[in-house]
Amino acid sequence: AQKITQTQPGMFVQEKEAVTLDCTYDTSDQSYGLFWYKQPSSGEMIFLIYQGSYDEQNATEGRYSLNFQKARKSANLVISASQLGDSAMYFCAMREGGTGGFKTIFGAGTRLFVKA
Amino acid sequence: ETGVTQTPRHLVMGMTNKKSLKCEQHLGHNAMYWYKQSAKKPLELMFVYSLEERVENNSVPSRFSPECPNSSHLFLHLHTLQPEDSALYLCASSQDWAFMNTEAFFGQGTRLTVV
Repeated sequence: AQKITQTQPGMFVQEKEAVTLDCTYDTSDQSYGLFWYKQPSSGEMIFLIYQGSYDEQNATEGRYSLNFQKARKSANLVISASQLGDSAMYFCAMREGGTGGFKTIFGAGTRLFVKA
Repeated sequence: ETGVTQTPRHLVMGMTNKKSLKCEQHLGHNAMYWYKQSAKKPLELMFVYSLEERVENNSVPSRFSPECPNSSHLFLHLHTLQPEDSALYLCASSQDWAFMNTEAFFGQGTRLTVV
């Protein structure tokens, strides 16, 4: 079974508008971390934002915020005031306990297109 | 200098060739990772090294052989690959494998094509 589900293969958003990228996860661990990464066409994965499972406040980093709903096991990424440079693949990831450490599992990604 | 550097950026190899992918990190991190990114599939974790010791090996075929000579360098040795091994291979590092909240820093990847 998939641990990280991103149901939107592709999304379009108008420049300067906000967009929400969906992510749901599955874990039985009490302690885990949730991440979002951006992958432009250059290939490099760029860390955007982190939310810990015990964090009560939603994480924010500039124009990025994470809408964390623990009971629903969702961790949606909200990008405000979209810019053309936001066009990229976006990956949701979860870090959960493994053998002696933590391993990171990625979703299949959502491709975001920002229209001028 | 970028944090994580991968070479080469592109590689085309025949099924009988032997080649190596190189990754170098300048961040002082203790953990390094190899991921495989195939089209329309989630990133697959291949190997994890913590302080030069392999700590994860996710059922990766033996035609992929990792090497971590020190905490700054990670190699992926390739031999007798199959066309389905064509993918983007991403190297990453993080401060410590045992920390939950540590984000990974990725290189730009090596685009591998097996012919």
